[in-house]
Amino acid sequence: DAMVIQNPRYQVTQFGKPVTLSCSQTLNHNVMYWYQQKSSQAPKLLFHYYDKDFNNEADTPDNFQSRRPNTSFCFLDIRSPGLGDAAMYLCATSRDRGVGNEQFFGPGTRLTVL
Amino acid sequence: RKEVEQDPGPFNVPEGATVAFNCTYSNSASQSFFWYRQDCRKEPKLLMSVYSSGNEDGRFTAQLNRASQYISLLIRDSKLSDSATYLCVVNDGTYKYIFGTGTRLKVLA
Repeated sequence: DAMVIQNPRYQVTQFGKPVTLSCSQTLNHNVMYWYQQKSSQAPKLLFHYYDKDFNNEADTPDNFQSRRPNTSFCFLDIRSPGLGDAAMYLCATSRDRGVGNEQFFGPGTRLTVL
Repeated sequence: RKEVEQDPGPFNVPEGATVAFNCTYSNSASQSFFWYRQDCRKEPKLLMSVYSSGNEDGRFTAQLNRASQYISLLIRDSKLSDSATYLCVVNDGTYKYIFGTGTRLKVLA
């Protein structure tokens, strides 16, 4: 089945130790998004790629970086995780941007920072 | 005022009941509207897109009122498996999808 896959599903890291989360999609969608979601809060957009064009949200900390080496894969790098970065990280895709384009989410990676 | 507002609930309803959620949005230029369902510690899953004419999918009916800037979700004949958080999502025609914080539904046996 076409889908959005995230690995790992659970990630435990130490304070300050870099971590990379991955996302892949078989939907051949142009747009890939990374969201951070904390308990009882709405997902917060960190950045998105429209094809190869990277678009950062103004309030995304520099600690968060992303790479999209090809259409199918996208990575989220957290350079120096702090305790406040513990959250669910959701990858999503959409065929295009704009009207009528639904987003499809991966199962998420739950990050714990010790 | 938040861009997308939802009553957080929880809405506790007995099995078989009909329940309705509303969601208001502040940007009159909003163009696409969606309802997602999110189970505890899982990802949001698309429940339905909301069209101007309203749309129905089985027990679920969504309505859009552009004049009053709200969308609604009606669930008929609630099942225990409908227990989840329902997220209202609004898109302004760009890359940005604005999420409400969700309405929690508990269907009780």
